[in-house]
Amino acid sequence: QQQVKQSPQSLIVQKGGISIINCAYENTAFDYFPWYQQFPGKGPALLIAIRPDVSEKKEGRFTISFNKSAKQFSLHIMDSQPGDSATYFCAATPLFEKLTFGTGTRLTIIP
Amino acid sequence: DAGVIQSPRHEVTEMGQEVTLRCKPISGHDYLFWYRQTMMRGLELLIYFNNNVPIDDSGMPEDRFSAKMPNASFSTLKIQPSEPRDSAVYFCASARTGPGSPLHFGNGTRLTVT
Repeated sequence: QQQVKQSPQSLIVQKGGISIINCAYENTAFDYFPWYQQFPGKGPALLIAIRPDVSEKKEGRFTISFNKSAKQFSLHIMDSQPGDSATYFCAATPLFEKLTFGTGTRLTIIP
Repeated sequence: DAGVIQSPRHEVTEMGQEVTLRCKPISGHDYLFWYRQTMMRGLELLIYFNNNVPIDDSGMPEDRFSAKMPNASFSTLKIQPSEPRDSAVYFCASARTGPGSPLHFGNGTRLTVT
């Protein structure tokens, strides 16, 4: 019940396109859903996060869509750029408990 | 804000040797986490501390692993004896208010055990 399933494992998108990464969970107690971005040789860094009281959160070109009934959430990167090439991790946690990370998606943006 | 500082960045050691990884969290952060990252298992939480006290060490793989936090600005993760399967990138992260608040990761220590 603590798992967060992330897909796809890898993704190649053309510059200017939309990148979409999906995550699903089972634990209905989860109430905080962050996304982390990791560049090679660096630690993950928080990109954007959402709580289940809203269905969408947007920060610049990055949007989280959240579907509470389906227990799914996704990251959309609009106008994808080569600098967005990185590994992305979704995560989830009940309040005040430890984070459960997805398995990661390696995103490559090609010219 | 200097961020979370880990040392060394790379460590190569022979099987059976003791390895000590070090971490300095962000000042004012009450929580410190040790993660291990591998291709096969992704990001695994090993242990986390609150106010220097270990809260959850259920992710520590076996007794060969130990972690300490003697004060608010320093933590160590020790592996003794090390084995080739311990080869991974080890990350330290800190957070201000708890596991559900934003984690600030260091740049990791890449450990290779031969």
